[in-house]
Amino acid sequence: GDSVTQMEGPVTLSEEAFLTINCTYTATGYPSLFWYVQYPGEGLQLLLKATKADDKGSNKGFEATYRKETTSFHLEKGSVQVSDSAVYFCALSPLGNAGNMLTFGGGTRLMVKP
Amino acid sequence: NAGVTQTPKFRILKIGQSMTLQCTQDMNHNYMYWYRQDPGMGLKLIYYSVGAGITDKGEVPNGYNVSRSTTEDFPLRLELAAPSQTSVYFCASSYAGLDTQYFGPGTRLTVL
Repeated sequence: GDSVTQMEGPVTLSEEAFLTINCTYTATGYPSLFWYVQYPGEGLQLLLKATKADDKGSNKGFEATYRKETTSFHLEKGSVQVSDSAVYFCALSPLGNAGNMLTFGGGTRLMVKP
Repeated sequence: NAGVTQTPKFRILKIGQSMTLQCTQDMNHNYMYWYRQDPGMGLKLIYYSVGAGITDKGEVPNGYNVSRSTTEDFPLRLELAAPSQTSVYFCASSYAGLDTQYFGPGTRLTVL
């Protein structure tokens, strides 16, 4: 079946450091790919998404490129802030998914220190 | 718009008790979902619904029941609570045909 694998956390960075959170997936065909963010005490929010190979999703300084050849969707940000501290989830929605169901990775906690 | 709201925020149950987790959305979304999030794990789909009167099982449905009598509401029922059901439960919704889901703030449930 479909699956998503993320790097384990926590990832601890200093403010203004470069961030990469790795995400790889297993799925049939061309799924849509997502990054969701969960701030402390809150539900998940969509951060960015990409729906086809070589698409780049971007939002709030975060970027991720859909790489079909490596089945990856790594999240990057050039300069993190303390306010970026959260748990980040990579997810996929299979092609032809009638119920819009998502398969999530295990999440990666990011801690940014001043 | 309140978005997706969930009640209660926290609950402690004894083994064998039952309860209903409430979920309401005011975005007129057709699709609604229930997930559970265990510590250090990703979200797993319990049940979902593509419209009023239609529900279907997700990856981990055992021990739970749902109903969808209106577009707005999608309650999750635990009949005989077990320690394995200790988790954080999230409700979500989306428009039919669009794949972005909107999540509620979650309910933290502990079964002792």
